[in-house]
Amino acid sequence: DVKVTQSSRYLVKRTGEKVFLECVQDMDHENMFWYRQDPGLGLRLIYFSYDVKMKEKGDIPEGYSVSREKKERFSLILESASTNQTSMYLCASSFTGEHYNEQFFGPGTRLTVL
Amino acid sequence: TQLLEQSPQFLSIQEGENLTVYCNSSSVFSSLQWYRQEPGEGPVLLVTVVTGGEVKKLKRLTFQFGDARKDSSLHITAAQPGDTGLYLCAGVGSNDYKLSFGAGTTVTVRA
Repeated sequence: DVKVTQSSRYLVKRTGEKVFLECVQDMDHENMFWYRQDPGLGLRLIYFSYDVKMKEKGDIPEGYSVSREKKERFSLILESASTNQTSMYLCASSFTGEHYNEQFFGPGTRLTVL
Repeated sequence: TQLLEQSPQFLSIQEGENLTVYCNSSSVFSSLQWYRQEPGEGPVLLVTVVTGGEVKKLKRLTFQFGDARKDSSLHITAAQPGDTGLYLCAGVGSNDYKLSFGAGTTVTVRA
């Protein structure tokens, strides 16, 4: 059974803290993505990666950075958490090629910044 | 980013009734996907439609891609409580590989 796992389901942090969200996939997918999901706004792409050590900005990269040192792992970093980063964070992965970028999602991390 | 608008935002129906969810855009997509997300979980892919005018059926769910590849619909026949969830459409742009998601339709099927 294919799987995308995220390090935490729930996380509570204080303003100004550095936050790491980890994502691991076991499907040997080339592409990995980080989204945030807020009510009424749908999923918004923060960053994505087409290969190890490669990263591309999505639609809302401000306040975030990412790291992809291994093919199976994609980390999202909040350098200095702020209350407006309270959200559900979803990681996803997909194959390159004629798979129409069909994405497999992890269960999400609900982050609260106080 | 290409905008996808979903309607309605919320839908509450009785078990056994039919429902339709719409996904519309002014942009052309090379393909369009539908996902369902249950509370506390990530979205799960239901179907991908690729060809304009295409109709795909998945048990009681029928998906249609508009002829111009700008819109799509999801129809559920004889809805069941297990169909409850957030339904998301997502389009793959003609010029890039990224997915653009709609805001979703929350469907509640009452027993």
